Amino acid sequence: DGGITQSPKYLFRKEGQNVTLSCEQNLNHDAMYWYRQDPGQGLRLIYYSQIVNDFQKGDIAEGYSVSREKKESFPLTVTSAQKNPTAFYLCASILAGGPGTGELFFGEGSRLTVL
Amino acid sequence: AQKITQTQPGMFVQEKEAVTLDCTYDTSDPSYGLFWYKQPSSGEMIFLIYQGSYDQQNATEGRYSLNFQKARKSANLVISASQLGDSAMYFCAMRGRSGGSYIPTFGRGTSLIVHP
Repeated sequence: DGGITQSPKYLFRKEGQNVTLSCEQNLNHDAMYWYRQDPGQGLRLIYYSQIVNDFQKGDIAEGYSVSREKKESFPLTVTSAQKNPTAFYLCASILAGGPGTGELFFGEGSRLTVL
Repeated sequence: AQKITQTQPGMFVQEKEAVTLDCTYDTSDPSYGLFWYKQPSSGEMIFLIYQGSYDQQNATEGRYSLNFQKARKSANLVISASQLGDSAMYFCAMRGRSGGSYIPTFGRGTSLIVHP
């Protein structure tokens, strides 16, 4: 079945360490997104990519980096420059194009805790 | 810039009754899509319903319906015959054009609790 796979589901990090969250989709979607979710804040956009080898900053990109070397994969690195990285991270994808291209599909999320 | 506003941080409803979750949006683009998602405590995002800006009729999916009032820029979710399993966070989202790309933007969510 097609879908989005995020890993790991839970991750613990020491301060000063970089960590990478994986996001893989087999839906043949062009556009992929990373969101951060904090209690009471809703989903905030970190980075997005519309095509391979291209990505754009979202509203809260500072302290994060991404790559899009393959259509299926959009990994997110949380760097040591991110001051408050403890959060729930969601990866999503959708067909590119106009707003009528269907629903946004989500992975199950990755919960990052900084010790 | 596009914006989604959900003004109800929390809502309570009795089992089997209907409940309306409010959502207003702001965009200058005439072409956009509106979504509602349910997020139970497990964290997964479950797609509920979609409304396109040019759709003439309100979207319905089983017990879910979207009360789309374009002039007022509102897209309220109506859940009929609430069930205990409906207790969750609910997010309204819009996918509209932002700087040449169609970006999904989310509201802060409404926590719904269904009482027996």
